[in-house]
Amino acid sequence: LAKTTQPISMDSYEGQEVNITCSHNNIATNDYITWYQQFPSQGPRFIIQGYKTKVTNEVASLFIPADRKSSTLSLPRVSLSDTAVYYCLVGDMDSGNTPLVFGKGTRLSVIA
Amino acid sequence: NAGVTQTPKFRVLKTGQSMTLLCAQDMNHEYMYWYRQDPGMGLRLIHYSVGEGTTAKGEVPDGYNVSRLKKQNFLLGLESAAPSQTSVYFCASSWGSRTDTQYFGPGTRLTVL
Repeated sequence: LAKTTQPISMDSYEGQEVNITCSHNNIATNDYITWYQQFPSQGPRFIIQGYKTKVTNEVASLFIPADRKSSTLSLPRVSLSDTAVYYCLVGDMDSGNTPLVFGKGTRLSVIA
Repeated sequence: NAGVTQTPKFRVLKTGQSMTLLCAQDMNHEYMYWYRQDPGMGLRLIHYSVGEGTTAKGEVPDGYNVSRLKKQNFLLGLESAAPSQTSVYFCASSWGSRTDTQYFGPGTRLTVL
């Protein structure tokens, strides 16, 4: 299983772009990278998933360099409502049924 | 379409009491999960199921039992509650592989005195 490392916490001001990097040095060829967001007092929700290069949706962008040993979740122009914990998960769909590990995530605090 | 629902939302138990948490999903998902989350901690997997009638242990299974008698329901049981089991419990479900999106319920806040 690829182990992931994320910063424990980050602070940002409203309106700034926030980049959260996840390290996964032993990522396997078939592994995907998935990010979840968890607001206070709620369950996590999926925000984005990618395999290589760049993926963008209405919530965020995910940048994955060619070696795939890290990935960066980018949140454009954050607002107070983006205060949440962000989890990076890595794994493939073929290696049995063992669920992906969430870890402790990165706690993002957006300041006015 | 309710998604994933959890019952109850809150519960207070005394040490040694037992209880069952119910998770229900209406998305016809194969996989279901139970997690616990302690203050300042991430999610830790207790048990999971990859289909009706199946269960498997996660990272922290001790003190808990589960059953998946129906595809849409996943029950988490505490036979003899301990203060260390005070936590927020989340249930989730997903289609059919470990990379599929997990859909989470609202959580159950359990306090064991």
